[in-house]
Amino acid sequence: DAGITQSPRHKVTETGTPVTLRCHQTENHRYMYWYRQDPGHGLRLIHYSYGVKDTDKGEVSDGYSVSRSKTEDFLLTLESATSSQTSVYFCAIRTAEMNSPLHFGNGTRLTVT
Amino acid sequence: GQQVMQIPQYQHVQEGEDFTTYCNSSTTLSNIQWYKQRPGGHPVFLIQLVKSGEVKKQKRLTFQFGEAKKNSSLHITATQTTDVGTYFCASPAGSARQLTFGSGTQLTVLP
Repeated sequence: DAGITQSPRHKVTETGTPVTLRCHQTENHRYMYWYRQDPGHGLRLIHYSYGVKDTDKGEVSDGYSVSRSKTEDFLLTLESATSSQTSVYFCAIRTAEMNSPLHFGNGTRLTVT
Repeated sequence: GQQVMQIPQYQHVQEGEDFTTYCNSSTTLSNIQWYKQRPGGHPVFLIQLVKSGEVKKQKRLTFQFGEAKKNSSLHITATQTTDVGTYFCASPAGSARQLTFGSGTQLTVLP
């Protein structure tokens, strides 16, 4: 498996609190992604990064922000967590090569009560 | 934005039966990728199809890309319990930096 570490693996938090999920890679890949996975919806893209300090929104970006200050780290922040953000969050990376596949981390299970 | 529709959402088969999942798009796809996610696991890349009409095989798995590059299928021959999981198709969207996933087909294999 690609060198991707997500932390924490599990988190329970209360509505209204900020939460930050971390994705760390040791592959030096240019592209990093945050997806959320919910039953019946598959994997939906939240935000992605195509380089240090270069990020863009995905299809479900409302309520989320990201930062990438180093190649190896991509942070996802829920500014004020809501119950609808209860989900499994996956980080993925890929090289800059066109059409290169995604390599996923093990996921973070977030529960917002 | 571009959507890839995947059917069926669920499929239960007896061990030894065949299984097929389909992905369809209203627009031409530059390429399509397939991923497998075991229960409790993360998606793992299986294969990529790029050319019109392309067919690729991995042991009991056969992947096809339609002639018009608007649909794709994954066929598993003689399923085994190790095939259990959710199969996703995915295709580039927007600036091609993004990958859009189908909703997945969850395969259950009954022993």
